[in-house]
Amino acid sequence: TQLLEQSPQFLSIQEGENLTVYCNSSSVFSSLQWYRQEPGEGPVLLVTVVTGGEVKKLKRLTFQFGDARKDSSLHITAAQPGDTGLYLCAGDSGENFNKFYFGSGTKLNVKP
Amino acid sequence: NAGVMQNPRHLVRRRGQEARLRCSPMKGHSHVYWYRQLPEEGLKFMVYLQKENIIDESGMPKERFSAEFPKEGPSILRIQQVVRGDSAAYFCATTQGSNQPQHFGDGTRLSIL
Repeated sequence: TQLLEQSPQFLSIQEGENLTVYCNSSSVFSSLQWYRQEPGEGPVLLVTVVTGGEVKKLKRLTFQFGDARKDSSLHITAAQPGDTGLYLCAGDSGENFNKFYFGSGTKLNVKP
Repeated sequence: NAGVMQNPRHLVRRRGQEARLRCSPMKGHSHVYWYRQLPEEGLKFMVYLQKENIIDESGMPKERFSAEFPKEGPSILRIQQVVRGDSAAYFCATTQGSNQPQHFGDGTRLSIL
């Protein structure tokens, strides 16, 4: 089993603050995905990163894949209450199909 | 999550009963993945199926759990003789093919009394 550790586990911040969440592993992944999940719903894909060192931006969200493809970070600028949710990273083992290993998530609460 | 339909959304069973969870893929998707999620945790891979074939079931408990994806109709995750530890949210995700983005349903929340 390839383990992904996410930190912090919980994060509560005020609207307008910046934050970074981390996804770390000792394993190399062929790609890594970030999802956001809201209560009572399934995860929604935010981004896929594939190349070591890759940086992708999605409005106020910046995703980075580590050079060695073992870790990733998600940075949110000027957080808003709508960003509240569970952020999950998932690594693709690179087998013949998308067998993803999920981290346990970072639960973000943005207070107005 | 429009397109991937899971039902029921909530299912309550007593210990020893059977639970059947259904997943209808998005149009054009022929690959189905089932995951289990416990509260405050990430998703754990259970099984990957294509039409009429189980490709990888390495995440499935050896007993009581089975999955199928028939030629016609939804994919079914079946849990026999449920126990309290089976209480969880079960999600399916579907794709057009391997190495394509996964689209998740909104899950079935199974509660065992």
